[in-house]
Amino acid sequence: QVQLRESGPGLVQPSETLSLTCTVSGGSISISYWSWIRQPPGKGLEWIGYISYSGSANYNPSLRSRVTISFDTPKNHFFLRLSSVTASETAVYYCARHKGYGQTTDSFDIWGQGAMVTVS
Amino acid sequence: SNELTQPPSVSVSPGQTASISCSGDMLGKNYASWYRQKPGQSPLLLIYQDSKRPSGIPERFSGSNSGDKATLTISGTQTLDEGDYYCQAWDNNVVLFGGGTKLTVL
Repeated sequence: QVQLRESGPGLVQPSETLSLTCTVSGGSISISYWSWIRQPPGKGLEWIGYISYSGSANYNPSLRSRVTISFDTPKNHFFLRLSSVTASETAVYYCARHKGYGQTTDSFDIWGQGAMVTVS
Repeated sequence: SNELTQPPSVSVSPGQTASISCSGDMLGKNYASWYRQKPGQSPLLLIYQDSKRPSGIPERFSGSNSGDKATLTISGTQTLDEGDYYCQAWDNNVVLFGGGTKLTVL
């Protein structure tokens, strides 16, 4: 069974770059699409972007200028980098697997446990 | 507008039917999905492609989508169904989530 686990620094300074890793176990990163989604404390979910098994990425327009999602196939990891962060981006960051292939029918069927990142 | 609107809260008595709505211009022509999130947990996929249930999701969870509104219906609501419910859809190759609905069973 596929499982996801986020890891990375829990504290990032304002204006610095947030970097997180999602480790995929129980399945190959090369056959699915993968997204990052965040949730500020007490608030709703916001999609950040996805990467496909072929390496193409698509980002939320509101974050596009600051975000990069990439992967390391041999290690079965994918990554999030978000530059120039502000305190309002303090959130739990989730990685999630697409149930589908990057089409507008996709939903998210497997989620990591989430990584709390504080910008301060 | 490219947003999904949900009621902030819904209350239901145990055993009754709960309905949670999600409104957005893109609905009806794009699929809706639904998730439940309990405190301290990750979201759980309940419904995808408007009305399909993933393996392990009870039959009392159902979904529909017509016009500009999607609806999640929970039949025979139980106290363990309490949590925050989010709808999700795509619009112009961007994923949108609704603001969430807190379901209280009392």
